[in-house]
Amino acid sequence: NAGVMQNPRHLVRRRGQEARLRCSPMKGHSHVYWYRQLPEEGLKFMVYLQKENIIDESGMPKERFSAEFPKEGPSILRIQQVVRGDSAAYFCASSPMTGMNTEAFFGQGTRLTVV
Amino acid sequence: KNEVEQSPQNLTAQEGEFITINCSYSVGISALHWLQQHPGGGIVSLFMLSSGKKKHGRLIATINIQEKHSSLHITASHPRDSAVYICAVRSEYGNKLVFGAGTILRVKS
Repeated sequence: NAGVMQNPRHLVRRRGQEARLRCSPMKGHSHVYWYRQLPEEGLKFMVYLQKENIIDESGMPKERFSAEFPKEGPSILRIQQVVRGDSAAYFCASSPMTGMNTEAFFGQGTRLTVV
Repeated sequence: KNEVEQSPQNLTAQEGEFITINCSYSVGISALHWLQQHPGGGIVSLFMLSSGKKKHGRLIATINIQEKHSSLHITASHPRDSAVYICAVRSEYGNKLVFGAGTILRVKS
């Protein structure tokens, strides 16, 4: 049973380009969370999705960022017109269900560098 | 003030020492997680606690719900324990995790 798979592991983009980060949750998991870790800072929540629905996007910047979790395929975090300040590690976590005692399983992260 | 506070921020220990990392939080929670992150690496879940105490190998995690405090202990520390240890809480009203800033642990041989 493969864990949470994120790709690419490393992504370099020039300012103004688009970045697409993919997350395949563990088998049987229908809940996906995206977190961002800026350099020298702690992890911060961005968005919580279930299949085909965005449940909570309170941590997502209002512009340039979007997320989806389609019925088929991985969850995608999309950053348009990237800027240097978007350079960070982006982590995805998945869980099988919502509720009080839900274990969190994290991917290896995607390290985005904007040059 | 952050909802989740960890101490110390940095910790250097000699191999074999007993290590304690503390976490205090200010919100009602449904669960507390201790996570481990190696430099450039992914995040590994060590423990999930909603009450009491859990033990896994040389790692022990405790939580006091009334005092809103948790501790992570490492017995007989080893250089391979060097990592960032992160406390995270899941609010009783939501699903997302709120993280502490992390404790950078270095164990010297």
